[in-house]
Amino acid sequence: DTGVSQDPRHKITKRGQNVTFRCDPISEHNRLYWYRQTLGQGPEFLTYFQNEAQLEKSRLLSDRFSAERPKGSFSTLEIQRTEQGDSAMYLCASSLWEGRQGVSNTEAFFGQGTRLTVV
Amino acid sequence: KNQVEQSPQSLIILEGKNCTLQCNYTVSPFSNLRWYKQDTGRGPVSLTIMTFSENTKSNGRYTATLDADTKQSSLHITASQLSDSASYICVVKRGSGNTGKLIFGQGTTLQVKP
Repeated sequence: DTGVSQDPRHKITKRGQNVTFRCDPISEHNRLYWYRQTLGQGPEFLTYFQNEAQLEKSRLLSDRFSAERPKGSFSTLEIQRTEQGDSAMYLCASSLWEGRQGVSNTEAFFGQGTRLTVV
Repeated sequence: KNQVEQSPQSLIILEGKNCTLQCNYTVSPFSNLRWYKQDTGRGPVSLTIMTFSENTKSNGRYTATLDADTKQSSLHITASQLSDSASYICVVKRGSGNTGKLIFGQGTTLQVKP
C-alpha cells in the first residue's frame, strides 16, 4: 500500500490517559499535516511539518498536544491527559512541496484517520 | 477572516439524477481550490484541484467550476449513483509563501436513494 497510513484506526481511552497516534506518509512527500474532525464538521488544521521541521501550529493545539516527525518520515501525535472533548477523528495527510515560485504544491492525500473516543 | 462556506448542508436525490453543490470562500490570498469526497469513517479523497486560472475541471461524472472574481465554486455530479453518497468538502489553500494550511468547509452530505 503506497498511500498514507494511520495507526491505530480506532482508540478508546479513559479520561486522563495519554494516547499516541502514528502516521506514515507517502514516501516521497516532504509535507505532513495533522487535522482533527468532529462529527458533521470539516477537518480543522492542527499542525504541519516540512521534513522534520514543524512549521505551523494551530491555536487548537493546546499544551496537552504534541506532534513530532523526528526523521522527516513518519509522525506521531500525542495527547496527554485526554479529555472527553478530545474525542474526534484525527486525520493525517501528506503532500509534496516543490518550493519553487509559481509552482503549486501537489494535492494532499489523506489517511483513513484514527477515531479517538475518550470515555 | 478566512472562511469556506458550503451549501446545502445536506441533500437527498434519487439515483440517476444530477445535483450541484456550492462553495463560497473568503480566503485570501488564494492559491487553489479542491473538492474532496469523504465516505463515512474514512479519510477525504481528492476529486479535483483548480488554480486561479482554471474555470472548470472534470473528473468522470464530477465537474467543478471556479469563479475567482466572485469567489465561488460548484461541484456538479451527473447521473448520480448510490456510491456517490458521501460528504463533499470544499477546501481552499491559502497561498502565502510557505504556509501549508488548507481551509476546509463543513461539507455537504449527499445521500443518493434508489
